[in-house]
Amino acid sequence: KQEVTQIPAALSVPEGENLVLNCSFTDSAIYNLQWFRQDPGKGLTSLLLIQSSQREQTSGRLNASLDKSSGRSTLYIAASQPGDSATYLCAVSNAGGTSYGKLTFGQGTILTVHP
Amino acid sequence: DAGVIQSPRHEVTEMGQEVTLRCKPISGHDYLFWYRQTMMRGLELLIYFNNNVPIDDSGMPEDRFSAKMPNASFSTLKIQPSEPRDSAVYFCASSTRVASVSTDTQYFGPGTRLTVL
Repeated sequence: KQEVTQIPAALSVPEGENLVLNCSFTDSAIYNLQWFRQDPGKGLTSLLLIQSSQREQTSGRLNASLDKSSGRSTLYIAASQPGDSATYLCAVSNAGGTSYGKLTFGQGTILTVHP
Repeated sequence: DAGVIQSPRHEVTEMGQEVTLRCKPISGHDYLFWYRQTMMRGLELLIYFNNNVPIDDSGMPEDRFSAKMPNASFSTLKIQPSEPRDSAVYFCASSTRVASVSTDTQYFGPGTRLTVL
């Protein structure tokens, strides 16, 4: 059974810092890995999706990397801003058969960026 | 596109009552997912459909939960009878899988916050 762990559970940083959120998964037979953002009381917004054959994806100040063999992914946020404050969730989809689309989520990292 | 639409946004009911949650996926998406989010267990996949057919319902907690997708633009999640431990936020998401793998992204609705007293 796939298990996803995110470290740290919470992070508080001053504005302008670069930061790294970590995600690890137990079963390396993944189809893809996604990073989501969730604001309080809201749904999830997809930030980046990395296919199992890819090493990284970038969008603006966000960069996500994937090391499938070691079961790890990192989300790098450059020059953090107060508007980045949210919960960041990592989710993996395992390959094959009825596993397509079946996302297993980590517990999330609560990020607070203070001015 | 309006995105994934869920109704109601909030539902408060008493134990034993039937609860029906509704979802309208993004037009053209052929996958629909129902998730439940609680503080204790995080986000869990309950069931998902492909082309209106249930593919995997192994996450449905028990027989009190049922889900249907009568057509490509509508799905329901029903709890009967409801219990206090069903209190959670229920999310619906949709996606499509075509030649472009980037469309594997799941798009989430705003959720329905269910409170069972």
